[in-house]
Amino acid sequence: DTEVTQTPKHLVMGMTNKKSLKCEQHMGHRAMYWYKQKAKKPPELMFVYSYEKLSINESVPSRFSPECPNSSLLNLHLHALQPEDSALYLCASSSPGGTYEQYFGPGTRLTVT
Amino acid sequence: GIQVEQSPPDLILQEGANSTLRCNFSDSVNNLQWFHQNPWGQLINLFYIPSGTKQNGRLSATTVATERYSLLYISSSQTTDSGVYFCAVEFQGYSTLTFGKGTMLLVSP
Repeated sequence: DTEVTQTPKHLVMGMTNKKSLKCEQHMGHRAMYWYKQKAKKPPELMFVYSYEKLSINESVPSRFSPECPNSSLLNLHLHALQPEDSALYLCASSSPGGTYEQYFGPGTRLTVT
Repeated sequence: GIQVEQSPPDLILQEGANSTLRCNFSDSVNNLQWFHQNPWGQLINLFYIPSGTKQNGRLSATTVATERYSLLYISSSQTTDSGVYFCAVEFQGYSTLTFGKGTMLLVSP
């Protein structure tokens, strides 16, 4: 099973709201990723978790807060977002260390009003 | 610095035509993946191909690591092949994927 699931598929939120995006994988992968993708652009890496520890934060604003409760789950908590944060948010996972293949979820399309 | 360049940026084909997409990369790699992003945003793994040649149905890919390029071949294209094709590379000494800007493919009936 090479599936990564994400919920919700779509999210509309106001600038004062707090919401969370969820990602789950059952492939035994120990590295998980959040990417942000704007229209007509490639995905941009936001965060990497390796063995449930945050290993890379690509200078993402603090209004985005990642969390990895266990090896299968990855959350992205959102607070006080701006309209320019509207984008497709993609989760991915991979096996740890050495060479590995990343698998992506279907994404959450976020609109900030 | 490290770079991934894809060409062409846009491609329009008639159904049934063949095409070749190219990915040039600037340094030695541990990992190279080709993805197809469908109109709903899903990134679908096509090939994991840091070197050599692989085939999957109408699609095949070749990576010549010593010359720093990879090619994706699509034969007998179908309208469902439309979307954006991304090449993504993990350069040696790095632990993350660097994406090219993609090739937007439109296959018309």
